[in-house]
This record gives sequence, C-alpha cells and structure tokens, in this order.
Amino acid sequence: EAGVTQFPSHSVIEKGQTVTLRCDPISGHDNLYWYRRVMGKEIKFLLHFVKESKQDESGMPNNRFLAERTGGTYSTLKVQPAELEDSGVYFCASSPDWETQYFGPGTRLLVL
Amino acid sequence: AQSVTQLGSHVSVSEGALVLLRCNYSSSVPPYLFWYVQYPNQGLQLLLKYTTGATLVKGINGFEAEFKKSETSFHLTKPSAHMSDAAEYFCAVSYAGNNRKLIWGLGTSLAVNP
Repeated sequence: EAGVTQFPSHSVIEKGQTVTLRCDPISGHDNLYWYRRVMGKEIKFLLHFVKESKQDESGMPNNRFLAERTGGTYSTLKVQPAELEDSGVYFCASSPDWETQYFGPGTRLLVL
Repeated sequence: AQSVTQLGSHVSVSEGALVLLRCNYSSSVPPYLFWYVQYPNQGLQLLLKYTTGATLVKGINGFEAEFKKSETSFHLTKPSAHMSDAAEYFCAVSYAGNNRKLIWGLGTSLAVNP
C-alpha cells in the first residue's frame, strides 16, 4: 500500500510569489490534515478535511493560505503571496479513523 | 490551553545505554498520546500510541512508553540505544472534542555516541 506522498519535496521561491503544495493521501483515507513546522518551533496544525469538506481550518495563519481537496482525494495548499515567515516544513497526514495519522515526507519551503 | 512539553531539546546517550525521552501534557480530558520519529531526511513515522487500555505500550524498534495519568506523562524509553536510533522524536496528543488534530511538543533530538 502506497503511503502519503507530497510534492514537491523542496521549493525555493521569492517573497511575493505563489507556491502550491500537493498531498496525496493513502487511498481510502477520508481524513486529511495539514501541519507546518517553522524552524525552532513546534509542529502546528493548519487544517483538517473530511473527504472534500473542511472540518477545521482554525490553524490557517491568514487568508494568504488556501487549501482544497478535490473530490475527496488529493489536496493542495496554496500560499499567495508568499512571505518570509511562511518558510518551514509542511506536512500532510491522512487517517482512516480519526485515531492514527500517517504522515508524508513533507515539503520544505524556503521563501527568500 | 492544551499543550505538550518535551524536556530536553537535545539528548545524548552512549550506544547500549538506556534511552529516556520525557513528555508531559496538560489537559483535563483524556488524551490519545503518540510518539513520532523523524530520521534524517525522512518524514514522520509513528513509533507508538496510547488510546485506551493497557498503559504500557510497545512500539517499533524496541521502544515503549507508559501513560501515567496521575503524572500527565508519556515518557518514551528503550533499554539499549543503537546508532540507528539517532533521530528527532516528537510527542503529540489529540482529543476527541478537538477533531483529533495533533498538538505537538517541540521535539527532542537524540544523538547516540559510539
């Protein structure tokens, strides 16, 4: 069974540009979560999808972040326009049962 | 507010020595508890979890953790460290009334010396 995949693995962009991160969950997992780790800080929750619906987006930093989950399958997280403080590692996780979350390798975003 | 504290951002042990990584949480409701590990240049991998039942849980690679409600702790141990255990370890909790989103500690970087 394939695990959670994320693309790209790394992204370096300039301030003001747009970046789109993609997450493909484990097949059949209705729950999809996004997290972010900024250097030196703890991993923080961004949002949670159940199928294609946003269940909880309380962790989204501001309206420069837009997440979607097409047809309840893969998800994208777009940052537009990117700011320096958006740099960090973005993790995606999926879960079949709200109990255990399985993580992807993360996308390392650097905004210059 | 619910939080997770990992004592010691960096821990160093000798190969063969006991590994003890500490985790405490603050909450008035029963949590689910997790330890994840991140090896260099890899993603987060679940080591073990406590949801209900037996408070001593065993995970992969010889790790185990014990949930102590009275101490609000979930410390991770391994009797004998191996070089391959060098990684960053994260303690996390989730709650039923919180959509099961994970709340994380800062992480502990474990170094294993030969």
